[in-house]
Amino acid sequence: AQSVTQLGSHVSVSEGALVLLRCNYSSSVPPYLFWYVQYPNQGLQLLLKYTSAATLVKGINGFEAEFKKSETSFHLTKPSAHMSDAAEYFCAVIGNTGGFKTIFGAGTRLFVKA
Amino acid sequence: DGGITQSPKYLFRKEGQNVTLSCEQNLNHDAMYWYRQDPGQGLRLIYYSQIVNDFQKGDIAEGYSVSREKKESFPLTVTSAQKNPTAFYLCASTAGPLAGELFFGEGSRLTVL
Repeated sequence: AQSVTQLGSHVSVSEGALVLLRCNYSSSVPPYLFWYVQYPNQGLQLLLKYTSAATLVKGINGFEAEFKKSETSFHLTKPSAHMSDAAEYFCAVIGNTGGFKTIFGAGTRLFVKA
Repeated sequence: DGGITQSPKYLFRKEGQNVTLSCEQNLNHDAMYWYRQDPGQGLRLIYYSQIVNDFQKGDIAEGYSVSREKKESFPLTVTSAQKNPTAFYLCASTAGPLAGELFFGEGSRLTVL
């Protein structure tokens, strides 16, 4: 079964610093990969998605992620953190068994210090 | 605007009571999902439906029930058999299993007193 691992349940950065949120997946076939963001007491919204068109994917709010098949990774980055980036981030993959359900990582909470 | 509406936003219930969470979408999506979110555990799938009048159990279906009588609606009932129902519940939809992104509602927070 496919799975997603997010390294670090909490990440803290200073405003203006690089944001790096790590995600590794297990998959025997090229996957569909996603990053979602969740603000407190709200639903999730899509940041970006990888569907094999390009390995470097650009998303909303200045975020981007790079698909590295050799490392089975899909890390999320942003060059300069803003206070408004403080939220929880989820990496997800669409499984290729049992109805192609989306499988989520445990999430990483990003804190941004002034 | 198209989207997913969940209600109520906050709900309190006493032990032993059933409660139904509403989820309505006007995106004309075929597939709908219910997830449960607990701190540090990500999202866990309760039930999903890919077409009207059909639905399947997810990973944690025990103590929950659903119906899909209309394309737009996918209500979730949390029954008294659910041992630990206090959680944040999220409804989502997508155009199809491989359509890509999930669209989420704002969530319903259930607290059992």
